[in-house]
Amino acid sequence: GQNIDQPTEMTATEGAIVQINCTYQTSGFNGLFWYQQHAGEAPTFLSYNVLDGLEEKGRFSSFLSRSKGYSYLLLKELQMKDSASYLCAVLFSGGYNKLIFGAGTRLAVHP
Amino acid sequence: DTGVSQDPRHKITKRGQNVTFRCDPISEHNRLYWYRQTLGQGPEFLTYFQNEAQLEKSRLLSDRFSAERPKGSFSTLEIQRTEQGDSAMYLCASSLGQGAGELFFGEGSRLTVL
Repeated sequence: GQNIDQPTEMTATEGAIVQINCTYQTSGFNGLFWYQQHAGEAPTFLSYNVLDGLEEKGRFSSFLSRSKGYSYLLLKELQMKDSASYLCAVLFSGGYNKLIFGAGTRLAVHP
Repeated sequence: DTGVSQDPRHKITKRGQNVTFRCDPISEHNRLYWYRQTLGQGPEFLTYFQNEAQLEKSRLLSDRFSAERPKGSFSTLEIQRTEQGDSAMYLCASSLGQGAGELFFGEGSRLTVL
């Protein structure tokens, strides 16, 4: 089966750095995605990791360790507009590839 | 607009009624996914298609739910004999290729069952 865990809520201050962790257990792994979802809106793609290491994209970076079943999303120079839910999703390779989401981490950025 | 579109955006219905949602994916995308999302939760996988073939349907999905993608383009999700527990946002997403690509989501269809 598949299990994806991430913290339910986090708070941070504008201009700071925040790290959102995600751990997963799956019998077939084919990559990990991070999506951002503002309240009432559809999820939008942030990053994709399939190999171990850090992927940097502007203010956002994502890290993957396949041996540990662990990923994190790092947000730098936080802005108020970064207040959103951040969804960790694992591409499960059992049978046909399908994307399974965690419950999401709701991030509140305060001035 | 060439993104994923869903219709209707909102649907209020009485318990026991049937509802149908439509999704039009990005035109060149061969994969189409349906997810359900409730407040405070991540999207829950329901089913997906590659072209017109339905590859997998979640075991959590009762027989009241059925999805089709008859010509490999748009898809419909029908819920028969709706129950209050079916109230949720129904999200459609599409992608190109064998599933390792980025999913593009529609704005969702919000269902409220009274």
